Amino acid sequence: DTAVSQTPKYLVTQMGNDKSIKCEQNLGHDTMYWYKQDSKKFLKIMFSYNNKELIINETVPNRFSPKSPDKAHLNLHINSLELGDSAVYFCASSPPLGQANPEAFFGQGTRLTVV
Amino acid sequence: AQSVTQPDIHITVSEGASLELRCNYSYGATPYLFWYVQSPGQGLQLLLKYFSGDTLVQGIKGFEAEFKRSQSSFNLRKPSVHWSDAAEYFCAVGAEAAGNKLTFGGGTRVLVKP
Repeated sequence: DTAVSQTPKYLVTQMGNDKSIKCEQNLGHDTMYWYKQDSKKFLKIMFSYNNKELIINETVPNRFSPKSPDKAHLNLHINSLELGDSAVYFCASSPPLGQANPEAFFGQGTRLTVV
Repeated sequence: AQSVTQPDIHITVSEGASLELRCNYSYGATPYLFWYVQSPGQGLQLLLKYFSGDTLVQGIKGFEAEFKRSQSSFNLRKPSVHWSDAAEYFCAVGAEAAGNKLTFGGGTRVLVKP
């Protein structure tokens, strides 16, 4: 029973297309995140939502739009894909802010390749 | 702002030898500290974490880490590595004041020689 699940696991698409990555967590967490891992394995946060409200937006291009329909889901929509968007995107969730042991649980990642 | 440095990009170790991975962080207060492991093509698995209390923390797969406030370090150790420990290791720092976002180090790739 997967705690944080992302779909799809692999995504190959052409430049200029629009694509979405979905994320769901069944841990009852209030906070969810999107991280990007580039080709050099460097991991950096993109967005964070707390109970469906955006709380972190790390200067990500506005072609990237997160959407949280409820606190168990955080989807990432990317418009007008560019070659530089090729990366592995990880979804994560953690307990509410202020709660002890705020450990983040990660999904398996979505490898996006833009050609 | 919080930051994490992992000085070693690659480490090669013989199977059965000990392993130590270095991690230095920068943050004004006591942060939350984590070590994650990523096997090729896989997601991130938490090895261990430090929030408060005992500065020597035990994790899964025989790993441990020690928080040293005076050195702003959180080094990861394993007494005897197995071939299955070959992976990428990431140190991360988080803080409630930063919305619990994690700031990761650049990672250390561990290669295990037979």
